[in-house]
Amino acid sequence: AQSVTQPDIHITVSEGASLELRCNYSYGATPYLFWYVQSPGQGLQLLLKYFSGDTLVQGIKGFEAEFKRSQSSFNLRKPSVHWSDAAEYFCAVGPGGFKTIFGAGTRLFVKA
Amino acid sequence: GAVVSQHPSRVICKSGTSVKIECRSLDFQATTMFWYRQFPKQSLMLMATSNEGSKATYEQGVEKDKFLINHASLTLSTLTVTSAHPEDSSFYICSASAREGSSYNEQFFGPGTRLTVL
Repeated sequence: AQSVTQPDIHITVSEGASLELRCNYSYGATPYLFWYVQSPGQGLQLLLKYFSGDTLVQGIKGFEAEFKRSQSSFNLRKPSVHWSDAAEYFCAVGPGGFKTIFGAGTRLFVKA
Repeated sequence: GAVVSQHPSRVICKSGTSVKIECRSLDFQATTMFWYRQFPKQSLMLMATSNEGSKATYEQGVEKDKFLINHASLTLSTLTVTSAHPEDSSFYICSASAREGSSYNEQFFGPGTRLTVL
């Protein structure tokens, strides 16, 4: 069955430090992969997506993610975190049939 | 960019009443809309997928008579929670997509509706 695992429930990072949020997926073929961000009480905003091609994907707000097929991973990174990045981050996989499966989410805390 | 709105953003109702939530695509035609439910500190759970002009497809475990979905036009889908009870209290999020051919098109998410049933 298709699934998405985000191993870290929450992560705390100092402002200005680098960030990596982990995501592993289970799917039989090459999936469509997404990272979304959700601020409290808000909907989801797409940060970036991977469909095919270059495995390093650039997104908005300085985020990037790398698709590693051998590890079934799609980790999200940012070189320098800003206080405004504090939010909930969801990794998602779309099997191509339109249905999107979301991971449990990782809450990012940013300390000054 | 594509914008999806939801109305209302918050609603409080008494147990036993019905509540309607609207989801609108403001600047594109949404052939498919999705309804999600999100419990506090949890992920999104897909409730149903609706295509314009046809019946919604509900996920396993979602009561179709409880959560009525109508996708009457290419810009509007509604979710009606019938005879709401406190356990229906949740954050409901819709998303919309304009599918073209067999390619996967991005889902655009609404801001969500917080439903509280007293």
